[in-house]
Amino acid sequence: QKEVEQNSGPLSVPEGAIASLNCTYSDRGSQSFFWYRQYSGKSPELIMFIYSNGDKEDGRFTAQLNKASQYVSLLIRDSQPSDSATYLCAVNRAAGNKLTFGGGTRVLVKP
Amino acid sequence: DAGITQSPRHKVTETGTPVTLRCHQTENHRYMYWYRQDPGHGLRLIHYSYGVKDTDKGEVSDGYSVSRSKTEDFLLTLESATSSQTSVYFCAISELGQNYGYTFGSGTRLTVV
Repeated sequence: QKEVEQNSGPLSVPEGAIASLNCTYSDRGSQSFFWYRQYSGKSPELIMFIYSNGDKEDGRFTAQLNKASQYVSLLIRDSQPSDSATYLCAVNRAAGNKLTFGGGTRVLVKP
Repeated sequence: DAGITQSPRHKVTETGTPVTLRCHQTENHRYMYWYRQDPGHGLRLIHYSYGVKDTDKGEVSDGYSVSRSKTEDFLLTLESATSSQTSVYFCAISELGQNYGYTFGSGTRLTVV
């Protein structure tokens, strides 16, 4: 079992719809959780972080964390073609400041 | 990229040759990291540093060494490059604290032929 797992996709969504991405992690001691967006050929960029159970909203993005079930999700509302990218989930374990990344979910938003 | 630069951006090298990749930051962040990104494997940690001359291994450190003699520079060396080290290498920096994410450099695409 990988430490951080994501469905590789592609997740195809029509423009204006909600894209829902999921991520599960194996280390119950994980403390903080991050979502990165990576366009093809570019470096990852941080879009959200969350460390408390529940929802956190930032613009069109909502991160959801459920530590009991060990999953974190990302919702993208009103999806735009510019949201087409690979979304990486990352987890910071209790010890140290090292992030473990999932393999990423590729999202395609079709006009 | 928020004061972090990697050099070179692209490099082609021959098997068995030494290669050094450089990461330079102007943010004065304590933590610096080297990751490699490969299809099917995502981002994997090679080495990281938590201060000058303080470094530690990540999950895929075999065949790599690092050095950090100044806060702003973190060097990754492939002592004898192999084809399995063909990859995209990303440097990242982080401020102290578990709730801080990383800022990534633009990456170095390394091809070992």
